[in-house]
Amino acid sequence: DTAVSQTPKYLVTQMGNDKSIKCEQNLGHDTMYWYKQDSKKFLKIMFSYNNKELIINETVPNRFSPKSPDKAHLNLHINSLELGDSAVYFCASSQVLAGGSDTQYFGPGTRLTVL
Amino acid sequence: AQTVTQSQPEMSVQEAETVTLSCTYDTSENNYYLFWYKQPPSRQMILVIRQEAYKQQNATENRFSVNFQKAAKSFSLKISDSQLGDTAMYFCAFPSGGGADGLTFGKGTHLIIQP
Repeated sequence: DTAVSQTPKYLVTQMGNDKSIKCEQNLGHDTMYWYKQDSKKFLKIMFSYNNKELIINETVPNRFSPKSPDKAHLNLHINSLELGDSAVYFCASSQVLAGGSDTQYFGPGTRLTVL
Repeated sequence: AQTVTQSQPEMSVQEAETVTLSCTYDTSENNYYLFWYKQPPSRQMILVIRQEAYKQQNATENRFSVNFQKAAKSFSLKISDSQLGDTAMYFCAFPSGGGADGLTFGKGTHLIIQP
């Protein structure tokens, strides 16, 4: 069984379009995340959701909006796509413990290409 | 702000050799977790090893071990008897803050195992 799944794995679209990426985890974790990996492989946190509440938003443009219908799902909606949004987007989940976040488990990633 | 530094952009070793990847970090926290993730060409993010800062003993997982020096804020990864399948990007990661703030990643080390 896949622990963290994302759909689609590849997404090619035109500038200006709106798109969504879906994420689901079956690990029973209480926190989910979205990361962006740029062309130089640098990974950066975008959002985290804990018990359906947004915890952080790391200077991400408001064209990006995370939506969590329940604890097991965290979707990413992107409006008015720009060329610079081309990247690999990873969903992850973890259980938050007293010493901080425990191991994060990652989805397979979604490669977004904006033309 | 937490920072994670990986000073080796790329390393290449022969199969069966031992290789050490370095990582340093900066934090004011006292209790935390540290992680090494592997990203092979398939782009899946795979946990290699995890260290709890309050534990004196270095973590070990089969051929993978860490040298954790809390005072020096150093967290290096040693791979023994390297195999062709170890070829991948390796990322050191550290919690961005307390609780559910996600991980701060280093820029990664591209490890190439030569036959």
